[in-house]
Amino acid sequence: SQQGEEDPQALSIQEGENATMNCSYKTSINNLQWYRQNSGRGLVHLILIRSNEREKHSGRLRVTLDTSKKSSSLLITASRAADTASYFCATDARGGSYIPTFGRGTSLIVHP
Amino acid sequence: KAGVTQTPRYLIKTRGQQVTLSCSPISGHRSVSWYQQTPGQGLQFLFEYFSETQRNKGNFPGRFSGRQFSNSRSEMNVSTLELGDSALYLCASSLSDGYGYTFGSGTRLTVV
Repeated sequence: SQQGEEDPQALSIQEGENATMNCSYKTSINNLQWYRQNSGRGLVHLILIRSNEREKHSGRLRVTLDTSKKSSSLLITASRAADTASYFCATDARGGSYIPTFGRGTSLIVHP
Repeated sequence: KAGVTQTPRYLIKTRGQQVTLSCSPISGHRSVSWYQQTPGQGLQFLFEYFSETQRNKGNFPGRFSGRQFSNSRSEMNVSTLELGDSALYLCASSLSDGYGYTFGSGTRLTVV
């Protein structure tokens, strides 16, 4: 079963707009990660945020983590057509192995 | 540095046959994990190898097996192929527990 679930399932925006994706999970975690996948290829690691962290930035990406609500969000600012992809969150359960369990993903389309 | 290399990229097999997929991790990464990705089930964890030992295993039948060699390269084998085994098989390597994964481009297996 999926530990993390992304919302929305699909998102369509115009270039230059911001895109926000959310992830909710069920049990306490060690880490939460976000990945991007272009069109059936391999996943690309974007950001890892640890359970004791609240926010991380990487370029145009901002990830927040709220462990009290068991949720995370990924914000992509000033979106580009090249950001079109599926975005997945992955969590590993506290007290378990560090194997990440992936959600179903959010499909993002950025129109030029 | 070279990324994670998976071979072959595409494979077509007949029901009942067996198949072996190969993965070369990033140099220095000792953990290698395998995932199956399908439209219906999303990304499902198959198994993880660390220092030639299977350390974690997902919920897949015994037809799915794997191994890791002393140079960290890994193979996975699926015997008695079924139509439902058609999927994108992804290999990922990691430096250590709690670090992000680097994925290969995957092997697209089609069973006819």
